[in-house]
Amino acid sequence: DVKVTQSSRYLVKRTGEKVFLECVQDMDHENMFWYRQDPGLGLRLIYFSYDVKMKEKGDIPEGYSVSREKKERFSLILESASTNQTSMYLCASSLVVGGYTFGSGTRLTVV
Amino acid sequence: KNEVEQSPQNLTAQEGEFITINCSYSVGISALHWLQQHPGGGIVSLFMLSSGKKKHGRLIATINIQEKHSSLHITASHPRDSAVYICAVTNAGKSTFGDGTTLTVKP
Repeated sequence: DVKVTQSSRYLVKRTGEKVFLECVQDMDHENMFWYRQDPGLGLRLIYFSYDVKMKEKGDIPEGYSVSREKKERFSLILESASTNQTSMYLCASSLVVGGYTFGSGTRLTVV
Repeated sequence: KNEVEQSPQNLTAQEGEFITINCSYSVGISALHWLQQHPGGGIVSLFMLSSGKKKHGRLIATINIQEKHSSLHITASHPRDSAVYICAVTNAGKSTFGDGTTLTVKP
C-alpha cells in the first residue's frame, strides 16, 4: 500500500525551539508539498519541491524552510518556533501529472 | 473573493439521499482535485479532473472548463460519507484550495 508517512502525529514544542517535521513517500513521486491547515483558513501551501534539492515558496513561507536531499524525503523546518505556528501540518506528494497522496498530518502545538 | 469557492459550506442529509457539492474557480487550471478529509485529519484524494466526468463507486465528479465549475455527486449517501470535502485547483505545480464542505449524513 503506497503511502506518505509523517514522522509524528502529535508534537509539542517550546517557543524558540528549532522544529523538524519529516515526510517520507514511497511512490517515487517528483512533487512534494507542505501545507498547514487552520480552522477557517483551509489548506495553505508553505513550500513545495518538484525535484531533489529544488524548492519553491508557497503562499506562506515566512518562518519556515525546507530540505529535500533525497527524492523520497521532504523536511519542513521551523527555525524558531512561535505560538502562531501552532497548526496541523500536512505533507503531500504527487506525480508531475498525478493526483495527491496526503500524509496523516502532524498536529504541532507551540507553547 | 476566494479563487476557489465551494457551496454549500455545510450540508446535512439523510441516509440514501443524492448529494451534490459545487466548486467554482476563477483562475486558470491544469487540473481540479476533489479531496475527502475525515475527522482526525487524514486526507484522501478522490478525483483529479481536467475535463469531463469521472466515476468511482457511488462518487461522480464532473467539470465544465468553460464555466469554471465542478461538481461532486454522492449517490445513495451513507453515514460513513460524513466528512469534509475539499476542492482544489492546480496550475504550474501550485494548488489553491476551497474552504471545504462539511457533509453530515444521518442514519
